[in-house]
Amino acid sequence: EVQLVESGGDLVQPGGSLRLSCAASGFTFSTYWMSWVRQAPGKGLECVANIRQDGSEKYYVDSVKGRFTISRDNAKNSLYLQMNSLRAEDTAVYYCARGLLSESSNWYHYFDFWGQGTLVTVSS
Amino acid sequence: QSALTQPASVSGSPGQSITISCTGTRSDVGGYNYVSWYQQHPGKAPKLMIYDVTNRPSGVSNRFSGSKSGNTASLTISGLQAEDEADYYCSSYTSSSSHWVFGGGTKLTVL
Repeated sequence: EVQLVESGGDLVQPGGSLRLSCAASGFTFSTYWMSWVRQAPGKGLECVANIRQDGSEKYYVDSVKGRFTISRDNAKNSLYLQMNSLRAEDTAVYYCARGLLSESSNWYHYFDFWGQGTLVTVSS
Repeated sequence: QSALTQPASVSGSPGQSITISCTGTRSDVGGYNYVSWYQQHPGKAPKLMIYDVTNRPSGVSNRFSGSKSGNTASLTISGLQAEDEADYYCSSYTSSSSHWVFGGGTKLTVL
């Protein structure tokens, strides 16, 4: 059974830092794109960052470029999101999601399994 | 404001069919066949229902179908059931640097 378990969410002051983790099990982690998708309270979904299987390719939404860093450790079946210079607008539930490749692309992917999410609150 | 436009709400009675629209531009929905739909029940993680415009992941009921015409994608749910009541989000590839864009979501109410 595919499982994704996020951790690391917390209350942090504006300008602070936080590191999220996602522990994966039930599938061969090293063969999948992985992503972080967030959802602000009562709002819609936003893809924050994506990382290729070997970590060689990464994508970020414009609003987090230069502040967030996605990484992975395939030996530990783990995905990470380092978040620096946090702002109030980063407040959201952050989901770890596995990538399902499009049938017509070798990189574009969808999110076929999600964790339960971890809440990040940025407030003074 | 989300890049893709969805109706805020739709409703239908059990057994009926409903369609949720998702309107974008030639830079996303209209230009590429990379459209997906997600279902989200309150307090739960989203679930992938449709990808590549028309494909269903394994385990998703064939009551769910996707289509696209021009800059508008659609999700149709036939034989509406109480368990279908949820929020639905469309998503598309976008030629902007972010690559992934979502709609604002549609709340489906089963009357």
